[in-house]
Amino acid sequence: GQNIDQPTEMTATEGAIVQINCTYQTSGFNGLFWYQQHAGEAPTFLSYNVLDGLEEKGRFSSFLSRSKGYSYLLLKELQMKDSASYLCAVMDSNYQLIWGAGTKLIIKP
Amino acid sequence: TAGITQAPTSQILAAGRSMTLRCTQDMRHNAMYWYRQDLGLGLRLIHYSNTAGTTGKGEVPDGYSVSRANTDDFPLTLASAVPSQTSVYFCASSGLAASTDTQYFGPGTRLTVL
Repeated sequence: GQNIDQPTEMTATEGAIVQINCTYQTSGFNGLFWYQQHAGEAPTFLSYNVLDGLEEKGRFSSFLSRSKGYSYLLLKELQMKDSASYLCAVMDSNYQLIWGAGTKLIIKP
Repeated sequence: TAGITQAPTSQILAAGRSMTLRCTQDMRHNAMYWYRQDLGLGLRLIHYSNTAGTTGKGEVPDGYSVSRANTDDFPLTLASAVPSQTSVYFCASSGLAASTDTQYFGPGTRLTVL
């Protein structure tokens, strides 16, 4: 079966760094997406990885290891507005997105 | 640019009643999707459309139907609502079907079936 695992909840301090992990087992692989979702709002696109390695985009970076079925999202210089859920999704061989349940990130002052 | 709009924002529906959730995009995207989001679960695909005039079933299609008469609109119909269909429904679109194009989401419809 297809499976995406990520922690349910994480807590971090304003100004710090946090890493949100995602492991996956899917039928085929056409890339991994990270989305941010604030409470009561729509998911918004953060990053896409299809090759191994680190992709940096401002305060956010995303890493992928295809051989390990593993990705992480790294958030630096945390701000209160980063409090949200972070969704990991893998595009399978049929180009359909398989979604994790999301990681709720709580930022404390 | 509005992007994707959904209506209504929220709705309380009696079990057994029918309802259509509306979704409109102005990005001229070919592919459109309907997902439901439930607490503790990932987004689950209900139905999708690769282009106007075609539709396909996702992971959880039972109890739902869709149509795609034109590029912009992709309504989702619940013929006879049941309490298990209480959820938040998101419509999404992407430029090309069967591709790695990013999916963009509408604001969602919160549906409660009593």
